[in-house]
Amino acid sequence: DGGITQSPKYLFRKEGQNVTLSCEQNLNHDAMYWYRQDPGQGLRLIYYSQIVNDFQKGDIAEGYSVSREKKESFPLTVTSAQKNPTAFYLCASSRGYSGNTIYFGEGSWLTVV
Amino acid sequence: SQQGEEDPQALSIQEGENATMNCSYKTSINNLQWYRQNSGRGLVHLILIRSKKREKHSGRLRVTLDTSKKSSSLLITASRAADTASYFCATDAPGTASKLTFGTGTRLQVTL
Repeated sequence: DGGITQSPKYLFRKEGQNVTLSCEQNLNHDAMYWYRQDPGQGLRLIYYSQIVNDFQKGDIAEGYSVSREKKESFPLTVTSAQKNPTAFYLCASSRGYSGNTIYFGEGSWLTVV
Repeated sequence: SQQGEEDPQALSIQEGENATMNCSYKTSINNLQWYRQNSGRGLVHLILIRSKKREKHSGRLRVTLDTSKKSSSLLITASRAADTASYFCATDAPGTASKLTFGTGTRLQVTL
């Protein structure tokens, strides 16, 4: 089945650790996105990429890093510089032009312990 | 920053009733979309309306758009318990290509 796969679903991070969330899509989409969602809140854009080997900061990029070495993959690293990383992280993809639908993965829950 | 603000933040209705959610946004847009999110899951696209349109229907969904007021509404008719979810509007602005900015969402509870 075509879609977006995020892993892991649940992740626990110790203070000072970097963690990487995986996102893979087999929809042949050019654009990929990472959003953060805090409980009861809307989505805030962390990073997005409209083409391989290129990405742009979103509204809350500090403390996060990404790479886009392959069209189907867009991993997100939550670094130790992110002071409040506990949240629900959503990866998404689209064909990459205005007015197209964005398809979401099932999300990853990150908790700092 | 979040482009849209949904109103109300939470809505509770009985099955069979209509549910109306409103979205206001700040800047000019190319398109406005509505998405649905079940608790703890990813978002699912519901409907898109282009900035030159005023109304669009899809099944039990009706979306209106008023660009002069920078607002949109989503009407779900004859609601069902399965419609219980959070609903978000999302906009893309001129010059931002495919980048979507989401609102804060309305949590809809449909009871039997």
